[in-house]
Order: sequence, then C-alpha cells, then structure tokens
Amino acid sequence: DTGVSQDPRHKITKRGQNVTFRCDPISEHNRLYWYRQTLGQGPEFLTYFQNEAQLEKSRLLSDRFSAERPKGSFSTLEIQRTEQGDSAMYLCASSLTGDHTEAFFGQGTRLTVV
Amino acid sequence: AQSVAQPEDQVNVAEGNPLTVKCTYSVSGNPYLFWYVQYPNRGLQFLLKYITGDNLVKGSYGFEAEFNKSQTSFHLKKPSALVSDSALYFCAVRDVAGKLIFGQGTTLQVKP
Repeated sequence: DTGVSQDPRHKITKRGQNVTFRCDPISEHNRLYWYRQTLGQGPEFLTYFQNEAQLEKSRLLSDRFSAERPKGSFSTLEIQRTEQGDSAMYLCASSLTGDHTEAFFGQGTRLTVV
Repeated sequence: AQSVAQPEDQVNVAEGNPLTVKCTYSVSGNPYLFWYVQYPNRGLQFLLKYITGDNLVKGSYGFEAEFNKSQTSFHLKKPSALVSDSALYFCAVRDVAGKLIFGQGTTLQVKP
C-alpha cells in the first residue's frame, strides 16, 4: 500500500492520559499535515512539516499538543493530559510542494477520551 | 482570511438525476480550490482541483466542478447520480503554505 497510513485507527483513553499517533506519508512527499475533525465539521488544520521542519502551528494546537517529524519521513502527534474535548478524528495528509499538487489523506485516528 | 462556504448541509437527489453540491469561496489572490469526499469512518479522498486554466474541471468517479470567478463559486456536479455517491463532500481552498481550509461539508444522499 503506497498511500498515507495512520496508526492506530482507534484509540480510547482515560482523561489525563497521554496518547501518541503515528503517520507514515507517501514516501516521496516532503510536506506532511495534521488536521482534526469533530463530528459534523470540516477538518481543521493543526500543523504542518516540510521535511523535518515544523513550519506552522495553528492556534488550535495548545501546549498539550506536540508533533515531530524527526527524519522527514513519518510523523508523530502527541497529546498530553488528554481532555474530553480532545475527542475527535485526527487526520494526516501528505503532498509534494508546488501549486499543482494535491494532498492525500490517511484513514485517520479516532480518539475517544472517557 | 481565506474561507469557503457550503450553504447546504444536505442534498437529496434521486439516482440517475443530475446533482450539484454548492461551494463559494473568499480568497485574496488566485484561488486554489479542491473537492474531497469522505465515506463513514474514513479519511478524505481527493476528487478534483482547480488551479488555473479551464473553468470546467473533470475529476474522479464522473464528477466535475465549474469555477466561476464572478460568482466566487466552485460547485461540484455530476450528470447522473449513483447510490454509491452518497457520502460527505468537502470543498476546500489552499493557502500559500499548502494547508487546506475546509467548508463545513455537505451530505449527499442519493436515493434509489
């Protein structure tokens, strides 16, 4: 499978616990994006990387959220001290740079905080 | 700030009939516009994009979209709907950093 893959697909955690999600982009894609989607809403941008550099973070990304892309390949998104409001689908996307490219999305990780 | 609006929460159409899912945009500069489709508990699948060129853009699964600069619209269309087209559709605009700003989504329901 040469698409974007995310792991795990589902995660249930207790409030206050830390969680980490992984995203493996399409191998030649240098840009990687994280989005969050809540029920009935469109995806909202969280952060993005060009190669290993994190170039932009949304104001939605509180201090409890951190993302890395250490070697410019896979990325991790960690949420510390989870809250019920963090329950959402976390989507990863990757793309090449350039005006004529499009982003390809993974299947997402559905987080439920109980 | 760039934004897109999808004025309809849901569109209902009979199988075999043409469908239109509406999208309007607000951008500074040239718009880079996209349509994605989402099936339940799945990620988003790319349908089509407008970057430049012809105002009628053809995409996957028989979908097309018409870019209208004067009306700032980018409506998604299909001449003959299928039951399997039933899904959640998102319009998006891309900013200079490459990130997508999505609309709220429109649920398309195609009835047999």
